[in-house]
Amino acid sequence: QKEVEQNSGPLSVPEGAIASLNCTYSDRGSQSFFWYRQYSGKSPELIMFIYSNGDKEDGRFTAQLNKASQYVSLLIRDSQPSDSATYLCAVIEALKTSYDKVIFGPGTSLSVIP
Amino acid sequence: DAMVIQNPRYQVTQFGKPVTLSCSQTLNHNVMYWYQQKSSQAPKLLFHYYDKDFNNEADTPDNFQSRRPNTSFCFLDIRSPGLGDAAMYLCATRDTGTGGLIQYFGPGTRLLVL
Repeated sequence: QKEVEQNSGPLSVPEGAIASLNCTYSDRGSQSFFWYRQYSGKSPELIMFIYSNGDKEDGRFTAQLNKASQYVSLLIRDSQPSDSATYLCAVIEALKTSYDKVIFGPGTSLSVIP
Repeated sequence: DAMVIQNPRYQVTQFGKPVTLSCSQTLNHNVMYWYQQKSSQAPKLLFHYYDKDFNNEADTPDNFQSRRPNTSFCFLDIRSPGLGDAAMYLCATRDTGTGGLIQYFGPGTRLLVL
């Protein structure tokens, strides 16, 4: 069974610090990786996506991918109280046909303390 | 400017009383998904439409059905809701025509079963 694992948290960081969120996946065929942010009672919203090994930066967010280790992470610099949410890691396996399945991790709850 | 719209946002139904949740999109995306998300859990894919082709997840109960009468609309029918079906139901879309892998989520419908 293909799985995506995350630390459930809660992860607490002080305002202005770096929050580090981690995700591991079991399917070596996975090709595409996404981080979604989900506020309580709301739907997920896309924060970052990454397809290639290495780092990808967008503002205060950096996604890091290491396919050999089957590991993807999200760093949030200068954390703000508004970053307090659950962060979902999502993985898509290699597109072999028109059908693809997104597998979500259970999410990590982040709390940024003012 | 809403791109993926779900109605209603909140639905209360009685045990065993059929209920229909609605999703519409203005994006003209060819793939539409239905997810079920329970508290503190990852979204769980129920089924998706790739154009008119229906793909049912193996573990989706028969109690859940879906219809997609046209590109813009997709419905989730719960024939006999049980207490365990209380959850947030998320609709998402994707456009494979542009090669996109990103799913766009609607705001969700929270279902309460009494």
